[in-house]
Amino acid sequence: EPEVTQTPSHQVTQMGQEVILRCVPISNHLYFYWYRQILGQKVEFLVSFYNNEISEKSEIFDDQFSVERPDGSNFTLKIRSTKLEDSAMYFCASSYFDLALKETQYFGPGTRLLVL
Amino acid sequence: QKEVEQNSGPLSVPEGAIASLNCTYSDRGSQSFFWYRQYSGKSPELIMFIYSNGDKEDGRFTAQLNKASQYVSLLIRDSQPSDSATYLCAAEMNRDDKIIFGKGTRLHILP
Repeated sequence: EPEVTQTPSHQVTQMGQEVILRCVPISNHLYFYWYRQILGQKVEFLVSFYNNEISEKSEIFDDQFSVERPDGSNFTLKIRSTKLEDSAMYFCASSYFDLALKETQYFGPGTRLLVL
Repeated sequence: QKEVEQNSGPLSVPEGAIASLNCTYSDRGSQSFFWYRQYSGKSPELIMFIYSNGDKEDGRFTAQLNKASQYVSLLIRDSQPSDSATYLCAAEMNRDDKIIFGKGTRLHILP
């Protein structure tokens, strides 16, 4: 069964460093998302991406964040200058739309980011 | 501010019994609703989605939606120890819109 994959599974970085989190969405999906989950808290939306542009972003997704689909398969989240509070699990999700299933988002396994 | 509210639990249910999980949402424009299961340290796994009023059954799971009351529920019949997890309720307003998650209800199935 097709699935969303993410790399790396864990990332440790120093505050102020740049990180790039990578995702490979399910191949026939057209909509892509990033969410984050701080330990013990709820899953929070960051950004959605469709047709090579951002569809919507949350207030969390400030100028330090960017997303890119550099080729036909990868979808990346870049944090330019990490802060301690960026430590969280980052989930990539992708979805398609059809009349029967409407729009259903499938999540990747996540990247656990720790900022020291 | 769009909100999805869930009782955080833990909800303890004997093995073989019915587990009932509830959720309310604030945005009356929400159209699609999802139940995800999340094991500790893992990603959310889609269990069911529902967008029409009434019940939707899939195996041991039944989702119920009442848009007038802005209420969604998930019933798990014949609960198994492997059902022990956090169950996330989520709402989506439009196609390709973000999903708003609740904080989740921790379910513990007692063997």
